[in-house]
Order: sequence, then structure tokens, then C-alpha cells
Amino acid sequence: RKEVEQDPGPFNVPEGATVAFNCTYSNSASQSFFWYRQDCRKEPKLLMSVYSSGNEDGRFTAQLNRASQYISLLIRDSKLSDSATYLCVVQPGNTPLVFGKGTRLSVIA
Amino acid sequence: DTAVSQTPKYLVTQMGNDKSIKCEQNLGHDTMYWYKQDSKKFLKIMFSYNNKELIINETVPNRFSPKSPDKAHLNLHINSLELGDSAVYFCASSQVGQNQPQHFGDGTRLSIL
Repeated sequence: RKEVEQDPGPFNVPEGATVAFNCTYSNSASQSFFWYRQDCRKEPKLLMSVYSSGNEDGRFTAQLNRASQYISLLIRDSKLSDSATYLCVVQPGNTPLVFGKGTRLSVIA
Repeated sequence: DTAVSQTPKYLVTQMGNDKSIKCEQNLGHDTMYWYKQDSKKFLKIMFSYNNKELIINETVPNRFSPKSPDKAHLNLHINSLELGDSAVYFCASSQVGQNQPQHFGDGTRLSIL
């Protein structure tokens, strides 16, 4: 089983839609969780950390389910500028981050 | 005001050559990393340094040698370049510990002819 698994997509959604991505991780000792965003030919950038109680940042909501070892990202009212690859990232203890392969999102006008 | 900067941005060279990529961070972070992102877009850790000391060395050929002169710099030297080395190499830095996100440089696109 891969350490971090994501549906590669692409997810093609119209502007204004709500879209959700899921991610599963294999290491139950993982302590830290993040969503990163990577635009084409650019570096990954931190979108948000994911906390146990769930957290929201504007149109973005992240949830963590430790029992099922999965993380989700919900994007409401999608904008064209949301088009990117979304990387699920997990940190098992004090070790380097483990990146999923990413889910590609295209928001269409 | 670039937080993590790496040079060069593009590197085109022939098989067999030796090349270096430099990375500097001005965030005061203790830990620096090198990642490789291949054509399938998978981002994989290569090395991790904490305060100039090597912490992580994944299964990377010994043609790749990182060097950290101080905690703000982590350079990557590659000997005898091969076709399979073509990729985007990202430098990153973070504070040590849990829940510390990494900040990435904008990548070095290495193409081997």
C-alpha cells in the first residue's frame, strides 16, 4: 500500500461548483497533515495545515479522520484560479513530509 | 525577499557532465531538503539536513552529493549525469519538529541531452 494515496483526477468542474478531494495514508503514527497546491511548472505551496478537529480557511475546509486514516479537502464556490494540482501531505513523526502524487483540478468557465 | 532561492532555474547539459545546484534560505530554518520531481510529477525526498548535518539520505545514487556549508545553504552536486536524472529538483526548508510545513524554492529544471 502506498504511503499517501490520492485520486489523480483530473476533476473538471464549472466555476462556482463545490469539489472535494480525499486522501488516505498508511502510517497510523502520522502526526502532521497538510494540503499543498502546485501550479503547472511551479513549486508546491502550502495551502493549509489539517487539524484533528477540522479547519476552514475561506472557501477551503480540511478534515482529518484518524480512525480511517483519511484526509479531505473541500473547495466551495470554485474559481478559475483554483485550477492546480492539490497534494496531500503527511508527516510520520519527526520525519520529512511524504507527498501524495496529487489530484488535478480544472475549473472551467 | 525570496524565502528559498535556488539557482540555476534551468540547467541543460550533456550526459556524463558534473553540475551543481545551489540553494539558500533566509527564513532562519534549521532543516533543509532536496526533492526530485520526475516526469510523472511524483515528488520524492532525496536528502534532509538539520543544522548542517545529514539526517536523511534516501536511496539516491552516490553520484549525488549534498553539501551544507551553513544552515542557510544546501547545495547539490551531481557527478556523471545520466538521462534518468532529468527532472525538476526542489530545495525546501522548515523548522524542525512536527506540524512544521516546508517552504519550497521554485525548482531547477534539469535536462540531460
